[in-house]
Amino acid sequence: DAGVTQSPTHLIKTRGQQVTLRCSPKSGHDTVSWYQQALGQGPQFIFQYYEEEERQRGNFPDRFSGHQFPNYSSELNVNALLLGDSALYLCASSLAAEWDQPQHFGDGTRLSIL
Amino acid sequence: AQSVAQPEDQVNVAEGNPLTVKCTYSVSGNPYLFWYVQYPNRGLQFLLKYITGDNLVKGSYGFEAEFNKSQTSFHLKKPSALVSDSALYFCAVRDGATDSWGKLQFGAGTQVVVTP
Repeated sequence: DAGVTQSPTHLIKTRGQQVTLRCSPKSGHDTVSWYQQALGQGPQFIFQYYEEEERQRGNFPDRFSGHQFPNYSSELNVNALLLGDSALYLCASSLAAEWDQPQHFGDGTRLSIL
Repeated sequence: AQSVAQPEDQVNVAEGNPLTVKCTYSVSGNPYLFWYVQYPNRGLQFLLKYITGDNLVKGSYGFEAEFNKSQTSFHLKKPSALVSDSALYFCAVRDGATDSWGKLQFGAGTQVVVTP
């Protein structure tokens, strides 16, 4: 049973560039959430996708956008990268019908901005 | 708005001794509470949850947590710590009354160091 997979594992970009991160949810899950974890901090909620729509959004600027595909996989896009965007980006999946079950996390994508 | 506080940046304990990691929360509705553990260069691994029912919750790897509504706390405990328990622990809360989509609010994390 495959868990949540994220790609790439590491990425180096420069300021002003754009980046796309990818996530495949755990088998059977239909909801994907994205979190940003800066060094030494807890994960911060970016947004959540279900049925290919953004259902909920955290306090992140419009430079952060996402997409969910019919197979439930998801992408996180960040435009006009800033040094402060350097972080571990975590994807979590869950099943919307099982609201009391925990989210399952991938190992993340480490994004470094130079 | 929901929030989580983990008052200790680091907890040091000798192997074999009891381990406690503290967490307090604030939500407007019913709290759904979770503990996750993170090992270096890895994602978050689920340990246990409280949704409703018995205040004492048992989870993976011998961990348990006690939900205390009056003190708005959900402390993580393990009777006998192992060196392999050394990791970063996160408490998270979801507001069950107002949030139907499962947004998790995490604490800042507590680093647990278990010495042999």
